[in-house]
Amino acid sequence: EPEVTQTPSHQVTQMGQEVILRCVPISNHLYFYWYRQILGQKVEFLVSFYNNEISEKSEIFDDQFSVERPDGSNFTLKIRSTKLEDSAMYFCASTRGAPLTNHNEQFFGPGTRLTVL
Amino acid sequence: AQKITQTQPGMFVQEKEAVTLDCTYDTSDQSYGLFWYKQPSSGEMIFLIYQGSYDEQNATEGRYSLNFQKARKSANLVISASQLGDSAMYFCAMRENLSGGYNKLIFGAGTRLAVHP
Repeated sequence: EPEVTQTPSHQVTQMGQEVILRCVPISNHLYFYWYRQILGQKVEFLVSFYNNEISEKSEIFDDQFSVERPDGSNFTLKIRSTKLEDSAMYFCASTRGAPLTNHNEQFFGPGTRLTVL
Repeated sequence: AQKITQTQPGMFVQEKEAVTLDCTYDTSDQSYGLFWYKQPSSGEMIFLIYQGSYDEQNATEGRYSLNFQKARKSANLVISASQLGDSAMYFCAMRENLSGGYNKLIFGAGTRLAVHP
């Protein structure tokens, strides 16, 4: 069964360093998302991406964040200068078709746990 | 703004018993979707069940069923015949429709379910 994959599973970094979190969405999916879950809290939307551009972003997704689809398979989230409060689990998700035409389940990857020291 | 409320931070149930996890939502949209995800201690998000706002029947997926009461804006998850492996965090989520046809998921705070032998 196709699945969303994410690497690395756990990333430890020093405050102020840049990190890139990688995701490989399901191959025939067209819409891509990043979500964040701070430990013990709810999952929060960060950004959605379609047709090589951001379609929506939350207030969390400030200038320190960027997303990219550098090739036909990878979808990356970059944090330019990490802060302590960026420590969280980051989930990538993808969906298949036009969002309003069907239930359009978002398939989640296993997450990357980011720890900023 | 859309909102999801899960009022039970923790629940426990005896193995083989049924349990209901509560979820209420608030939206002004006529068309929306409601999802339940399971998050075991390993951290991944596992899709369980979906209910569309226009679906007349309550959704069922194996031991999972969704008690959808549209007038009350509630979408409670019922797990029948609980198993030890059902111990996890459970998140209710709603699809928020964005401009341009895109969407994102809004999550509740979650309910931690413990199944006792």
